[in-house]
Amino acid sequence: DVKVTQSSRYLVKRTGEKVFLECVQDMDHENMFWYRQDPGLGLRLIYFSYDVKMKEKGDIPEGYSVSREKKERFSLILESASTNQTSMYLCASSLWGASSYNEQFFGPGTRLTVL
Amino acid sequence: AQTVTQSQPEMSVQEAETVTLSCTYDTSESDYYLFWYKQPPSRQMILVIRQEAYKQQNATENRFSVNFQKAAKSFSLKISDSQLGDAAMYFCAYRSAHNAGNMLTFGGGTRLMVKP
Repeated sequence: DVKVTQSSRYLVKRTGEKVFLECVQDMDHENMFWYRQDPGLGLRLIYFSYDVKMKEKGDIPEGYSVSREKKERFSLILESASTNQTSMYLCASSLWGASSYNEQFFGPGTRLTVL
Repeated sequence: AQTVTQSQPEMSVQEAETVTLSCTYDTSESDYYLFWYKQPPSRQMILVIRQEAYKQQNATENRFSVNFQKAAKSFSLKISDSQLGDAAMYFCAYRSAHNAGNMLTFGGGTRLMVKP
């Protein structure tokens, strides 16, 4: 059974703290994604990785960085958290390839609050 | 750049009735895929249905079907015989058929409430 897990369901941090969000998938997927979900805005892509140590900026990368040292793990890093980064963060993974059947599988999300 | 618009932030339906969620998109590409994803409260997002733009036939998955109008760039989701478990956020998403990285562009979502 396909599985994407995220390290925390809820997280509360203070402004200026460094924050790590971890995502692990057990499907041997090449692609991994980090999204931010806000009401009315849907999901917006922060970063994407198609291989170990490879990363591509998404639509809203400012204030974020990522790390992919192993195929199954993709980390999102907030170098200095700010209140406008309070949001739900979703991780996803998929196989590489343009087939419509290479769907994205999502983790449960991390609701981050920055005070 | 592609954009996806869901004009209904919230919808409600009576149990056992039919409801249609709207989605429009903008693209200059001719080859692409469209998806509807469901996000139940406090649960993981799952794929409901997919449509390839080159297929004229509308996709169906049990009680879920789509009305794909390529010329109008419209992709609505119909849920028949609505059940309490259908209550969720629904997201429409677009992906280029030439994007091996499988990057999706999402709409803003529609919250569906099901009344018993």
